[in-house]
Amino acid sequence: GENVEQHPSTLSVQEGDSAVIKCTYSDSASNYFPWYKQELGKGPQLIIDIRSNVGEKKDQRIAVTLNKTAKHFSLHITETQPEDSAVYFCAAVRADGLTFGKGTHLIIQP
Amino acid sequence: NAGVMQNPRHLVRRRGQEARLRCSPMKGHSHVYWYRQLPEEGLKFMVYLQKENIIDESGMPKERFSAEFPKEGPSILRIQQVVRGDSAAYFCASSPMGWEQYFGPGTRLTVT
Repeated sequence: GENVEQHPSTLSVQEGDSAVIKCTYSDSASNYFPWYKQELGKGPQLIIDIRSNVGEKKDQRIAVTLNKTAKHFSLHITETQPEDSAVYFCAAVRADGLTFGKGTHLIIQP
Repeated sequence: NAGVMQNPRHLVRRRGQEARLRCSPMKGHSHVYWYRQLPEEGLKFMVYLQKENIIDESGMPKERFSAEFPKEGPSILRIQQVVRGDSAAYFCASSPMGWEQYFGPGTRLTVT
C-alpha cells in the first residue's frame, strides 16, 4: 500500500517569512496529492491540491510543487500570517481513500 | 451549500456499548469516506462507500466495525462492543467524483 512521509513534524517561522513542508510517497501509481489544514477541534480543510500531470500549482500565498520522478511534493506558504498557525497534512491517493502524512504543526511567531 | 455534517459531535460510551456515528455528505456528493484520528496523529483511512455499496473497507477492523450508506439518509459508522482503544476522533469526508474530499467536523468518541 501507499506510505506517505512528512517533514518536519514542527515548524516555527517568523510572521511574514515563508514556510515549506515536504512529503514523499511510495506508490508511483498515486495520482492526486491534496494538502489539508486542521485547526484545533475541527475537521481538515482542503487548501490546495495537485494532480500527477501538473508540476506546480499556486493559489495566492499558497503553492504546491510535485516531482513525480523523485516521488515528493511540497507545500509553500509565503508571507505567513498568524492565522496560518495550524497542523498541515499532506496526502496521496491512488484509487480510493487518502493516505495521510503524520502532519506538521506550523507555528507563526509574532 | 451546507458542508459535510456529522453527529453527534461528542459521544461517550461505556465499554461494551454500541457507538453509532452519522455523516450527511454535501449535496450532490455520492462518495463517502470514513477516517479515524488518534491524538497527535494523522488520519487513517477506514472505509469508502458509494450509495448502497461498500467500495473499499480495507482500513476497517473486521470485527465490531461496520459501515453503510443507504439510498436514503446519512452514512452510518457503527462500532459494536466498544473498547477503550476505540476512543478517537472519527471524520467523514464526501466527494462528488472521488477526487477532492471535503471533511466534516468529526465525532469525538470517548469510551469509559
